[in-house]
Amino acid sequence: DTAVSQTPKYLVTQMGNDKSIKCEQNLGHDTMYWYKQDSKKFLKIMFSYNNKELIINETVPNRFSPKSPDKAHLNLHINSLELGDSAVYFCASSQGRQETQYFGPGTRLLVL
Amino acid sequence: AQSVTQLDSHVSVSEGTPVLLRCNYSSSYSPSLFWYVQHPNKGLQLLLKYTSAATLVKGINGFEAEFKKSETSFHLTKPSAHMSDAAEYFCVVSGVSASKIIFGSGTRLSIRP
Repeated sequence: DTAVSQTPKYLVTQMGNDKSIKCEQNLGHDTMYWYKQDSKKFLKIMFSYNNKELIINETVPNRFSPKSPDKAHLNLHINSLELGDSAVYFCASSQGRQETQYFGPGTRLLVL
Repeated sequence: AQSVTQLDSHVSVSEGTPVLLRCNYSSSYSPSLFWYVQHPNKGLQLLLKYTSAATLVKGINGFEAEFKKSETSFHLTKPSAHMSDAAEYFCVVSGVSASKIIFGSGTRLSIRP
């Protein structure tokens, strides 16, 4: 069973479109995260939710909006996609904010 | 303030020789420190973590790291490299504040046959 899953695995879309990436964890964790990894492998945290409440909101464009319908899900919606949004987006979860994070396989987003 | 610096962007070693990946951190509080590994086209996997218990931490796949407060370092080592160790390695510092989870820039480890 996959602990942290993301859909879709690949996403190719045109500039200006709106898209969503879904994340689900079956570990019973209370904290979930979204990261962006650029082409140079640099990883940056975007958002973190603890028990469905936003606790980290780094400086990202407001075109990015996370939504957590319940503790096991944290989805990422992106409006008006731009070329610079092309990256790999990773979801992760942990039990507690300083504990080990378990990562999903990543969603490779390409904006044309 | 919190920060983490991985001193080498790329390390290349021969199979069977020791591996040393360097990480320095700064933190106003007692940090939690982690090493994660990312194999090509995969997500990140925890290698090991330090959370103020023993300063020498053993992880998976024969890796270990030593927390040295006086040097503010948390270097990752392995006595003998294997071809399957070729990957990207990230040092991570996590502080008391929920907003402080910082990844290093990564070190790409290559293994020569």
